[in-house]
Amino acid sequence: QVQLQDSGPGLVKPSQTLSLTCTVSGGSISSGGYYWSWIRQHPGKGLEWIGNIYYSGSTYYNPSLKSRVTISIDTSKNQFSLKLSSVTAADTAVYYCARGRSGPRDFDYWGQGTLVTVSS
Amino acid sequence: EIVLTQSPGTLSLSPGERATLSCRASQSVSSSYLAWYQQKPGQAPRLLIYGASTRATGIPDRFSGSGSGTDFTLTIRRLEPEDSAVYYCQQYGNSLWTFGQGTKVEIK
Repeated sequence: QVQLQDSGPGLVKPSQTLSLTCTVSGGSISSGGYYWSWIRQHPGKGLEWIGNIYYSGSTYYNPSLKSRVTISIDTSKNQFSLKLSSVTAADTAVYYCARGRSGPRDFDYWGQGTLVTVSS
Repeated sequence: EIVLTQSPGTLSLSPGERATLSCRASQSVSSSYLAWYQQKPGQAPRLLIYGASTRATGIPDRFSGSGSGTDFTLTIRRLEPEDSAVYYCQQYGNSLWTFGQGTKVEIK
């Protein structure tokens, strides 16, 4: 059973960089046929796709966040990470990591989510 | 960017009734790339349906998906109290993934 565990600071100051890591267990992050994603949810709102990374290192980002987002992968640790720079209060949200499937382009396993608050 | 609009915003039904949730796309979506998720308070979303109509592993057959082009539907037959949740549709197109704004299903 694949499990994803996201981790990182729950409080980030404005203008700083938000950093989260997702550790994958029960399967290899290098397995073909999958991508590794970050999705966020503003309080009381819907879901917003942030971006994906494939084990090869190829990335796809939401155009609305692209200038501030970097997703990286560490296959030796079975982890992938999110960095979001120059954060503001509008970036306060629950951040989820998820596994995506290349065939149906969906998200079949999710982490539990981390609430990140941007505040001084 | 393809925008997904879900309706209604909230659905209030009694146990045993049928729920019909709509997801309309601003342009045609490949049926292969349309999914539905269920999210309960404080939990991560759970994949229900992918490829517009295929149930994910472990999903009861009370849940069914249909549709094509710009109009997709999630139907929940014989509603049970545990079906109370927000339901999201999601699509992929042109290297972008987008979600609808969600439909809340309340069980009376």
